[in-house]
Amino acid sequence: QLVLTQSPSASASLGASVKLTCTLSSGHTNYAIAWHQQQPQKGPRFLMKLKSDGSHIKGDGIPDRFSGSSSGAERYLTISSLQSEDEGEYYCQTWDTGIVVFGGGTELTVV
Amino acid sequence: QVQLVQSGAEVKKPGSSVKVSCKASGGTFSDHAISWVRQAPGQGLEWMGGIIPLFRTTNYAESFQGRVSITTDESTRTAYMEVSSLRSDDTAVYYCARGDTPMIPDHSAFDVWGHGTMVTVSS
Repeated sequence: QLVLTQSPSASASLGASVKLTCTLSSGHTNYAIAWHQQQPQKGPRFLMKLKSDGSHIKGDGIPDRFSGSSSGAERYLTISSLQSEDEGEYYCQTWDTGIVVFGGGTELTVV
Repeated sequence: QVQLVQSGAEVKKPGSSVKVSCKASGGTFSDHAISWVRQAPGQGLEWMGGIIPLFRTTNYAESFQGRVSITTDESTRTAYMEVSSLRSDDTAVYYCARGDTPMIPDHSAFDVWGHGTMVTVSS
């Protein structure tokens, strides 16, 4: 069964970096994913599409501070030079024939 | 620049139905999948189902099968999602989202999101 696992929460200091993780279930470790950001009281926004080899394509207007990488079943989103507006929920998304799956989301707090 | 514009908020009685629309402006329409995603208050994102107009295929998540219908009107570049037999736990924000890869008979990353439609189910 295709499942994405995310830690429920993360926190980091203003100006620092943070690395969020999304883990693919066994048997699906070569799947691409997408990362989406949801700021408080707003709709989701597409950040990037990330492949198993670490290559990624970002959405329009997404700052260079956001980058992606991969290792085995893990897909990472790294945000550098954290700003207050980076606070919110981060979701990973993947897909297979006839289905789409979301991770449970990671709530990022910038302290 | 593609934009997805959704219909306005709805208040419905339990047992009734609701139909939400998602109109695309800019770019192409029929060759991209359109999905619907639900977000209940304080909860995460849940995929409900999607449609790929070019291939005339529709898929539904198991938990919504039989109660949700997703259609498109290509003449108006609009996708629709209808939920029947509404319950109080259907109270949520409903988003439409576009698959990023055109001309494929399947789903992909969501690269454009609608702004969301709040549906409240209350007696």
